[in-house]
Amino acid sequence: AQSVTQLDSQVPVFEEAPVELRCNYSSSVSVYLFWYVQYPNQGLQLLLKYLSGSTLVKGINGFEAEFNKSQTSFHLRKPSVHISDTAEYFCAVKREYGNKLVFGAGTILRVKS
Amino acid sequence: GAGVSQSPRYKVAKRGQDVALRCDPISGHVSLFWYQQALGQGPEFLTYFQNEAQLDKSGLPSDRFFAERPEGSVSTLKIQRTQQEDSAVYLCASSLTPLASGDTQYFGPGTRLTVL
Repeated sequence: AQSVTQLDSQVPVFEEAPVELRCNYSSSVSVYLFWYVQYPNQGLQLLLKYLSGSTLVKGINGFEAEFNKSQTSFHLRKPSVHISDTAEYFCAVKREYGNKLVFGAGTILRVKS
Repeated sequence: GAGVSQSPRYKVAKRGQDVALRCDPISGHVSLFWYQQALGQGPEFLTYFQNEAQLDKSGLPSDRFFAERPEGSVSTLKIQRTQQEDSAVYLCASSLTPLASGDTQYFGPGTRLTVL
């Protein structure tokens, strides 16, 4: 079975500062990795995903993530955050030959002015 | 349609009532998923459809939960004899391809169910 650990439940950061949201996963088989963002009262929106190939993945809104197989991590980064990035971010994993997404508990990013 | 839609957006039920939650996936999407998101937690998988076939219902928490997708498009999640622990946001997602893959799952806005 797969599991996902998001190490920080909340991350406060000032506007224009860099941010890293941490995600570690466990799986005995090959997986695909995803980051979703959830704004208040809205559904989950895909930020980026890693399927194969280059371990550095670029997504929407200036976010990127790096897949590290040896450390079983998929941390999300942004060099300069905006107030509008305030939201909850979910890391998720899916078995290569599976269907369902397994999510972490989420990290609330609070961007302060 | 432009995205996945769900109705109602909010539902309040008295304990013991039956509820039905509707999901309209993106047109042409073969795969449909239901997830349950409790307060302060990430979504948890409930069930998966490929067209009208329910291929995985391993996440349904009890036999009070039932899902269907009779014509391979709209899906309904039914909860019988609701209990307080059923209070959560129920999310529906759809994806284009029928095969297990890295295909993106597109999520609806969810239905927030509150059981009193």
